[in-house]
Amino acid sequence: DQQVKQNSPSLSVQEGRISILNCDYTNSMFDYFLWYKKYPAEGPTFLISISSIKDKNEDGRFTVFLNKSAKHLSLHIVPSQPGDSAVYFCAAAQGGSEKLVFGKGTKLTVNP
Amino acid sequence: DGGITQSPKYLFRKEGQNVTLSCEQNLNHDAMYWYRQDPGQGLRLIYYSQIVNDFQKGDIAEGYSVSREKKESFPLTVTSAQKNPTAFYLCASSPQLAGLQETQYFGPGTRLLVL
Repeated sequence: DQQVKQNSPSLSVQEGRISILNCDYTNSMFDYFLWYKKYPAEGPTFLISISSIKDKNEDGRFTVFLNKSAKHLSLHIVPSQPGDSAVYFCAAAQGGSEKLVFGKGTKLTVNP
Repeated sequence: DGGITQSPKYLFRKEGQNVTLSCEQNLNHDAMYWYRQDPGQGLRLIYYSQIVNDFQKGDIAEGYSVSREKKESFPLTVTSAQKNPTAFYLCASSPQLAGLQETQYFGPGTRLLVL
């Protein structure tokens, strides 16, 4: 049973526009969420996180929104740049646990 | 420079052979993790360690073994019992602050291929 779901395997956007990546979770005990960015043949790099006491966290061009009632979070990238082209993983953890549960990832392509 | 290093970048395994993947960190992190990534899949946790000389199984520990004799090192052995070892292996570490959720930081990965 997949506890963290990224239902869109891929997304294509034009440079300068907004990219919206979505993530749904089923475990209501999750209270910390992270987004990682991964280039081929490299390890994931941490992008942004949000705790369940917030509904929004912003860092430069990246904003994560959390809707606890819908068990849904999204990552917004504005404006999108070609260098943002990568696979984005959503991850979740509960109660200070060290274990992260990852989604399958969404491949973002930003076209010049 | 602080970071996590994994070696080798590529590793080939013959049938019936055990191979060991190296992971070293100089971030002074207490916790370390091993994940496996398959094409089109998310990262799945193999083993993790919160402190030296202690480790726990993750979701897919069968066919793998680990040791944590030093804080900075967490080697993963892929044994002959692992029937489908071809994958991209990622090591991660995080600080261990009680009551706080800490971000995990990843190494560059090792790709294991079976001959």
